Amino acid sequence: GEDVEQSLFLSVREGDSSVINCTYTDSSSTYLYWYKQEPGAGLQLLTYIFSNMDMKQDQRLTVLLNKKDKHLSLRIADTQTGDSAIYFCAENGGATNKLIFGTGTLLAVQP
Amino acid sequence: DTEVTQTPKHLVMGMTNKKSLKCEQHMGHRAMYWYKQKAKKPPELMFVYSYEKLSINESVPSRFSPECPNSSLLNLHLHALQPEDSALYLCASSLGTSGTETQYFGPGTRLLVL
Repeated sequence: GEDVEQSLFLSVREGDSSVINCTYTDSSSTYLYWYKQEPGAGLQLLTYIFSNMDMKQDQRLTVLLNKKDKHLSLRIADTQTGDSAIYFCAENGGATNKLIFGTGTLLAVQP
Repeated sequence: DTEVTQTPKHLVMGMTNKKSLKCEQHMGHRAMYWYKQKAKKPPELMFVYSYEKLSINESVPSRFSPECPNSSLLNLHLHALQPEDSALYLCASSLGTSGTETQYFGPGTRLLVL
């Protein structure tokens, strides 16, 4: 199947770190992505990782990739209330460039 | 500039109406996409255009009709929609469709069918 799984909900306090997890299915995916969606808005590309990497850091964001376990995570350091949103992981479905999205994780940041 | 624009932002239409959604990008991208997103769900791919030709149609009903007049524009023509078609319609673009191309999304059009 093409199920990309994420936990539904994560609640953290402002200033703490958030870790959002994703389990994907297609071991041939070349790139894996994290998108952020604020209420009523489109998808904002946050970061992506190439499948031959195991870590990528971009300011407050750290992406970890465990290809053996098909596990992807997004760590947000010093989480702010503006980080409250739904976060989608996505894998690239091969030659057609079709994105397979995860189920989405709602991140709620408490002040 | 990684901007994809969509108009209108909101649209309310009756089941007998004909309307169109528009999407535009000026990044020189040659692939453009339409997605449908229902509340609390991930986006679902509807159509892919590559070099102005339809390359993927994910078995979308014919009441949705895409059109790509040129490499910067993508339209979605709507006719005889059903209330269950109410959703956020997202447009995206990428440099190509080689399988490694990052997709950039527009803000979406929120559609309500009465």
